[in-house]
Amino acid sequence: QVHLVQSGAEVKNPGASVKVSCKASGFAFSDYYFHWVRQAPGQGLEWMGWINPNSGGTNYAQKFQDWITMTRDTSISTVYMELNRLRSDDTALYYCARSVAGRPDSAMDVWGQGTTVIVSS
Amino acid sequence: DIQMTQSPSSLSASVGDRMTITCRTSQSISNFLHWYQQKPGKAPKLLIYAASSLQSGVPSRFSGSGSGTDFTLTITSLQPEDSATYFCQHSFSVPYTFGQGTKLEIK
Repeated sequence: QVHLVQSGAEVKNPGASVKVSCKASGFAFSDYYFHWVRQAPGQGLEWMGWINPNSGGTNYAQKFQDWITMTRDTSISTVYMELNRLRSDDTALYYCARSVAGRPDSAMDVWGQGTTVIVSS
Repeated sequence: DIQMTQSPSSLSASVGDRMTITCRTSQSISNFLHWYQQKPGKAPKLLIYAASSLQSGVPSRFSGSGSGTDFTLTITSLQPEDSATYFCQHSFSVPYTFGQGTKLEIK
């Protein structure tokens, strides 16, 4: 079965960093792009960027350009999203998702369960 | 950035009704438009990709249409389990923004 399983909830102080993982199973990891999308409490969906697990290439939304890093570890079929210099408005549910058909500009057909990140002092 | 205008923001309908949600983009995006359904506490679920292609496993009462800047999601014969929030999203150019969402209540 095709699955994306994300790491557990995190509580961080303002100014800290958080690294969320997303482990893929049931499909050829390197054949697909992965996206990160976040959702603040009671709000809509916000696309953050994508990573190509084959090359490690990334494309971030300009809003996050200076404080996000997406990486991957092909040996364990896992992608990571790290956010630095956290602020209270980074409190959100963070999702990883897979692109359809191995293209970054296609829809997202498989989603992780989400990881709650709470930023609070 | 491409702006997404999704309407209505909410609506209430009855079982068996037909419902349409619209999504308008600030510039032409060909057919790089997708629709998702999200239920409370759950991840979004892909319904329609490339404006009009039905994702595998999604009931045929869901359909999408449009090209360029104007798109619609239609649900015929609403069912109680269709109560959810629906989002459009484009993937024409980064950032791949989402619409604001439409909350559908089934009376």
